[in-house]
Amino acid sequence: QKEVEQNSGPLSVPEGAIASLNCTYSDRGSQSFFWYRQYSGKSPELIMSIYSNGDKEDGRFTAQLNKASQYVSLLIRDSQPSDSATYLCAVRGSQGNLIFGKGTKLSVKP
Amino acid sequence: ETGVTQTPRHLVMGMTNKKSLKCEQHLGHNAMYWYKQSAKKPLELMFVYNFKEQTENNSVPSRFSPECPNSSHLFLHLHTLQPEDSALYLCASSSDRSNQPQHFGDGTRLSIL
Repeated sequence: QKEVEQNSGPLSVPEGAIASLNCTYSDRGSQSFFWYRQYSGKSPELIMSIYSNGDKEDGRFTAQLNKASQYVSLLIRDSQPSDSATYLCAVRGSQGNLIFGKGTKLSVKP
Repeated sequence: ETGVTQTPRHLVMGMTNKKSLKCEQHLGHNAMYWYKQSAKKPLELMFVYNFKEQTENNSVPSRFSPECPNSSHLFLHLHTLQPEDSALYLCASSSDRSNQPQHFGDGTRLSIL
């Protein structure tokens, strides 16, 4: 059973701080990795994709991938209350399907 | 309209009813998906269609029946559902089945009485 693990949280950070969200996966053959943000009652929204080891930056978001450790993370700099949501890690496994973690709930306090 | 559109947004039905969920994508994608999202559980993939052909059925009970008449439209026909089927049903699409990300619709919140 291919799995994607995330800490369910809630992760609480003060406004302006860096929020760090972590994800591990079991399928060593995984090739693509995605972070989705889901507000309560809304659908998942793609915010980052990463395919190779290292860091990928997009505005206040940085995705980090370490395939040897089977670990992918998302950093949110200068966190804002509007960043409060559940963040879903998704991994496309060796068989082609996208496998989601349960999500980490982030709360940014003003 | 742009993106992935799902109707209805909310649906309440009895266990003996028959209803259908609709999904339409305006992104020019060739792959479409149905997911189920229940509380405290990860998103569960139900069905995958690629170029209108069903390529995956993740052991979904036959009371759920998908239909994909073309690459832009996807339906989920519901019949004799159980209370545990109450969940958020999400449709997604992607350009193909490779590394491209999936884009989600707003979902249908389904409640079974």
